[in-house]
Order: sequence, then structure tokens, then C-alpha cells
Amino acid sequence: GAGVSQSPRYKVAKRGQDVALRCDPISGHVSLFWYQQALGQGPEFLTYFQNEAQLDKSGLPSDRFFAERPEGSVSTLKIQRTQQEDSAVYLCASSFLNEQYFGPGTRLTVT
Amino acid sequence: GENVEQHPSTLSVQEGDSAVIKCTYSDSASNYFPWYKQELGKRPQLIIDIRSNVGEKKDQRIAVTLNKTAKHFSLHITETQPEDSAVYFCAADYGGSQGNLIFGKGTKLSVKP
Repeated sequence: GAGVSQSPRYKVAKRGQDVALRCDPISGHVSLFWYQQALGQGPEFLTYFQNEAQLDKSGLPSDRFFAERPEGSVSTLKIQRTQQEDSAVYLCASSFLNEQYFGPGTRLTVT
Repeated sequence: GENVEQHPSTLSVQEGDSAVIKCTYSDSASNYFPWYKQELGKRPQLIIDIRSNVGEKKDQRIAVTLNKTAKHFSLHITETQPEDSAVYFCAADYGGSQGNLIFGKGTKLSVKP
């Protein structure tokens, strides 16, 4: 079946702009995770959903970051007033029995 | 909270040799330890995982061992091939049931033909 998909694959934003990143999980996967991956580093946890409930947002770096999954399927990560330090790859993963499957990521560049 | 240390950061081997990557974790409540392979510009791919009730797991040329007492786990790749070249990440779950993962910093494996 289809894997996790993310859009857009690349996003260039001017500092101060708002961006929205979309994740389509594997059908039927209850759990959904967002990670941030800086160049040369491992993914770092941002937030976690079980169905539509956001159960953990402890990894979100500031209140400029907001995530939602209103119908328990597609999720959106929104970053307001982007800063240069937000430049990274944003990875989404959906999970079945702990096994997390990643999407291709969105590479965000803030200029 | 959980901390995962991974060594070495780079590893270069000749084709056909074995490669070993080691990780340690801090949270004794962690129960799930996956390994991911990430090629340049691609998504992390789950290649093997192990749960805390098992000491070793093997899948063809890849094996993972877990020592819960010492809180370390290792990835072993035998008969390496050039297509094994990639960055490998170990991870541990955050000691709870929700399953968010804490990743190591990665090992860049280069297999020279």
C-alpha cells in the first residue's frame, strides 16, 4: 500500500512568513509523529497524536509551532513567523505496534 | 529523560567486511529499539528492530543485539556491500507507551568496493 506522504517536499520562506506542512499517514495508523531533522543530525521529536488527540507536544521548540490532526488522519504542522533557525527537514511518521514509518520529509529553508 | 549515544560517528570498511555500530541509552523503562538507514536526501527506513524481551534478532546480513542490564544495543552488518553505504540511526522509545523515539546522532557508513 501507499506509504506516508508529505507536502510540499521543499519550501522556501522569507523570515517572518507563516508555513503549513502536510502529512498523510498510512491508512489505518492511529499514531502520528512529527520530527525535526537538522543537517547531519538525527530526527528530534516534536509532537505526537493518537487519532485526533495531541498527547504530547513537549518537543515543539516554541509557541510559534502548532500541529493539528482534526479528523485523526491528515496532520498539519504550522510554523508562524518563521526564523532562520527553523530551517530543517520536517519528518512525519505514522506507527503501527511501535514501528514508525517515515514520510520523505519537507525541507524548509528560511531566508 | 532518555538520552541515546551512538558510536562511531563515521565508519569506513572494505566490501565484504563486517560493520558494527553501538548505542547506549539512559532510560531503563525503554522497551523498543529500532534501527534506521537513511540515504542522502531520502527518508529514514526501518531496517530492523528489537524489543526488550529479546536479546538478539537477525535478518539476513543484519543482526541486532540488546543488553538491557548494561543499557546498550548494537547493529551488526556482515558481508557489507557498497549499497549499504548510508547514515544509520539507532533509537529508543521514550520509556512509555506512546512510543516517541529518541534518536542517536547517526553513523555514516562507507563501504569501499
